Amino acid sequence: QEQLVESGGGVVQPGRSLKLSCAASGFSFSKYAMHWVRQAPGKGLEWVAVISFDGNNKYYSESAKGRFTISRDNSQDTLFLQVNTLREEDTAVYFCARDREDFGGRWFDPWGQGTLVTVSS
Amino acid sequence: DIQVTQSPSSLSASVGDRVTITCRASQSISTYLNWYQQKPGKAPKLLISAASRLQSGVPSRFSGSGSGTVFTLAISSLQPEDSANYYCQESSTNAWTFGQGTKVEI
Repeated sequence: QEQLVESGGGVVQPGRSLKLSCAASGFSFSKYAMHWVRQAPGKGLEWVAVISFDGNNKYYSESAKGRFTISRDNSQDTLFLQVNTLREEDTAVYFCARDREDFGGRWFDPWGQGTLVTVSS
Repeated sequence: DIQVTQSPSSLSASVGDRVTITCRASQSISTYLNWYQQKPGKAPKLLISAASRLQSGVPSRFSGSGSGTVFTLAISSLQPEDSANYYCQESSTNAWTFGQGTKVEI
């Protein structure tokens, strides 16, 4: 079945960097745009970034611009999120999700189970 | 960016009740509005896309309506397993803004 599995989270000191991964299976990864969404503890969902199917187009939320980099390796069916100069407010569960689109709509499905990033000294 | 305002932030209802959740967009987004359900410790699950398209496998007691700036998620007969957080999401721009969420308690 279609599946996304995130990895790479953990406890990181402020100012350090981290690279998250999202492994896709069960569908043609290279045909879809992909997103990262995060959720701080006890808070709502916040969209972070999107990358086009071929990696040529990327968009970021205002809070992600400058420190976050989304990328993908279609030969490995894997999505990445590089986060630099981590701050305590980056503490969150990070989800990857597949973009789906047709006439009249665009949505995220499926989602991965998430990976927790804790920024703490 | 388009602002999305979801209400109420929480609600408590009984099994069998009909409940509705509303999302309002700051400008017209046609039908580019989705609804997700999230249970504690789990990933969000897509319930409804394009304002009113029920996803395969989602119980028919869930329904979505609206277009333009006002949208509604309705649960016609609340069940115990519907206890969760619900989020709307606009998808008309490259911002994919989520609503603040609604906690449904039973």
